[in-house]
Amino acid sequence: DAGITQSPRYKITETGRQVTLMCHQTWSHSYMFWYRQDLGHGLRLIYYSAAADITDKGEVPDGYVVSRSKTENFPLTLESATRSQTSVYFCASSETGVNTEAFFGQGTRLTVV
Amino acid sequence: DQQVKQNSPSLSVQEGRISILNCDYTNSMFDYFLWYKKYPAEGPTFLISISSIKDKNEDGRFTVFLNKSAKHLSLHIVPSQPGDSAVYFCAAASDTGYALNFGKGTSLLVTP
Repeated sequence: DAGITQSPRYKITETGRQVTLMCHQTWSHSYMFWYRQDLGHGLRLIYYSAAADITDKGEVPDGYVVSRSKTENFPLTLESATRSQTSVYFCASSETGVNTEAFFGQGTRLTVV
Repeated sequence: DQQVKQNSPSLSVQEGRISILNCDYTNSMFDYFLWYKKYPAEGPTFLISISSIKDKNEDGRFTVFLNKSAKHLSLHIVPSQPGDSAVYFCAAASDTGYALNFGKGTSLLVTP
């Protein structure tokens, strides 16, 4: 199916574990983004990527690592999960990244216990 | 510091009436503004946008107004329907930035 998909939809992990959230888009959009949504904060940008092998930090990058070896995939890794990283994570993509809408995945609800 | 602000966390409107959602921004470099709608357990979906060269954009029941001098935009929904009940996010971007800056969202409830 065309679109942007995230996996898993739900994840519970323990403090200190490494966890990777996956994001795949079928549009060949150049730009991809990771946001987290928390009560009282709205959507905050974690990392973004302008193209394969080009990534940059957003507003809240600490504790996260991203890679983009292929245009269609943009995984987000929590190297050592903390309770403060309990959140809903959204991946998004856009064609140009500038003055254009972004398309979002359905989200991954991550709970760190 | 939050550059896009939605100061009303929630809004309740009767079906058939107008819903007005407000958004303020602080960065004068922003020149493109969007509204997203989000249902529970789903990702945000694009609703409507406006470029800074315009002061109004309309799409069916949805109209966005932009007042650049006041750094303020609003989304009008007329007439409101129960299916419009969702969280609405205001977002802004500049042509030098690659990501959208979001507000905290306003939860709209449309009652029958």
